[in-house]
Amino acid sequence: DAKTTQPPSMDCAEGRAANLPCNHSTISGNEYVYWYRQIHSQGPQYIIHGLKNNETNEMASLIITEDRKSSTLILPHATLRDTAVYYCIVRAGGGAQKLVFGQGTRLTINP
Amino acid sequence: DTAVSQTPKYLVTQMGNDKSIKCEQNLGHDTMYWYKQDSKKFLKIMFSYNNKELIINETVPNRFSPKSPDKAHLNLHINSLELGDSAVYFCASSQGHPNTEAFFGQGTRLTVV
Repeated sequence: DAKTTQPPSMDCAEGRAANLPCNHSTISGNEYVYWYRQIHSQGPQYIIHGLKNNETNEMASLIITEDRKSSTLILPHATLRDTAVYYCIVRAGGGAQKLVFGQGTRLTINP
Repeated sequence: DTAVSQTPKYLVTQMGNDKSIKCEQNLGHDTMYWYKQDSKKFLKIMFSYNNKELIINETVPNRFSPKSPDKAHLNLHINSLELGDSAVYFCASSQGHPNTEAFFGQGTRLTVV
């Protein structure tokens, strides 16, 4: 699985959009970009994933660059409950594949 | 209903003991996993089972033995517990189709004293 690089920490004001970047310059053509988050003391939670098109769901939007070497997770209106560690993971398609977690970005939403 | 449930949530035991952690999923998934999160907060996969068959074993010591009696359950048995086994263990499940997400349990915090 391709390696990802994320900033170790970020801050965002409550109510503003939180934009979390991820670099995955060695991504292969069949690898997807997945985002998970882990709120303190809880299990990781799936957020969103995509291959090359931008994706949006009720939680977030995922913007993938045209060359697929980087992506941005957008939480449009961050709340205090969005404070968590966010993980960007690249993996090939297939439900039985393992998830390789990096250090992630610790996002703090400030009131 | 909890999708992926683990028991117990907390486990404190002495070195050398044998303990088990149980995991059950009610999502109808065919693949289950065990992950370990150490004190530095790194999450690493340990095992994966697909339809009760072991498909991933990430060089975990033989003291760790997963058992999957059916697709909905994946238990983790640990023999001769060591201090370094102290961690949070997460169970997860997914459906073995392409591009599906994994659902995680709430974790079992194991402390070996």
